[in-house]
Amino acid sequence: DIVMTQSPDSLAVSLGERATINCKSSQNILYNSNNRNYLSWYQQKPGQPPKLLIYWASTRESGVPDRFSGGGSGTDFTLTISSLQAEDVAIYYCQQYYSTPRTFGQGTKLEIK
Amino acid sequence: QVQLQQWGAGLLKPSANLSLTCAVYGGSFNGYYWSWIRQPPGKGLEWIGEINHSGSTNYNPSLKSRVTISVDTSKSQISLKVRSVTGADTAVYYCARLGTRFLKECSGTSCYNGNYRYGMDVWGQGTTVSVSS
Repeated sequence: DIVMTQSPDSLAVSLGERATINCKSSQNILYNSNNRNYLSWYQQKPGQPPKLLIYWASTRESGVPDRFSGGGSGTDFTLTISSLQAEDVAIYYCQQYYSTPRTFGQGTKLEIK
Repeated sequence: QVQLQQWGAGLLKPSANLSLTCAVYGGSFNGYYWSWIRQPPGKGLEWIGEINHSGSTNYNPSLKSRVTISVDTSKSQISLKVRSVTGADTAVYYCARLGTRFLKECSGTSCYNGNYRYGMDVWGQGTTVSVSS
């Protein structure tokens, strides 16, 4: 199984400041057939299912604000929120879909400082 | 717009069997993998397994011995069965679609042309399952 490890487990950032979450995979998840990293980022708010924010490590899903960006390749990835808004308080998960089981990181809880 | 609606028994006794169903509305059922994912109270997400319209399945090895995922293409539905549940199976259970995107591009000497999976883009509302005597 590919193990996904996020850091930190929790993060407190002031409104308008940058938030960065890291995700590391135990194996390379670059899919050679299309040169894309098979990694997604999700946002989950209380009582709701997760929402897809970023796919292929760096492509924003339709409708996602451009303050969200993803980066990285191979085994190391980041999710950055350039200017934190109150509505961004949530738990964020990374997930690899390169192989099965399609594993998630343990989650990062983002709060307002 | 594709929507997933799920239902099933919410309160089970230990050793009972869990059974959930997820129906797909408003979009194509074929051509995708449909997953079950669960989330214990206050914890993270655990992928249970997936199935496509042909009935091809993949399971999480940690649950494979107790789980069956099935499909009914005539109703655009998938189902989850977990046998002999315990308190550790208490969780919110979600169904979700593993979406695909069309990609056509050339980079250097390599060209890519086709539909490629890109993440869990549509989710059900979640079903809370509690196991207690």
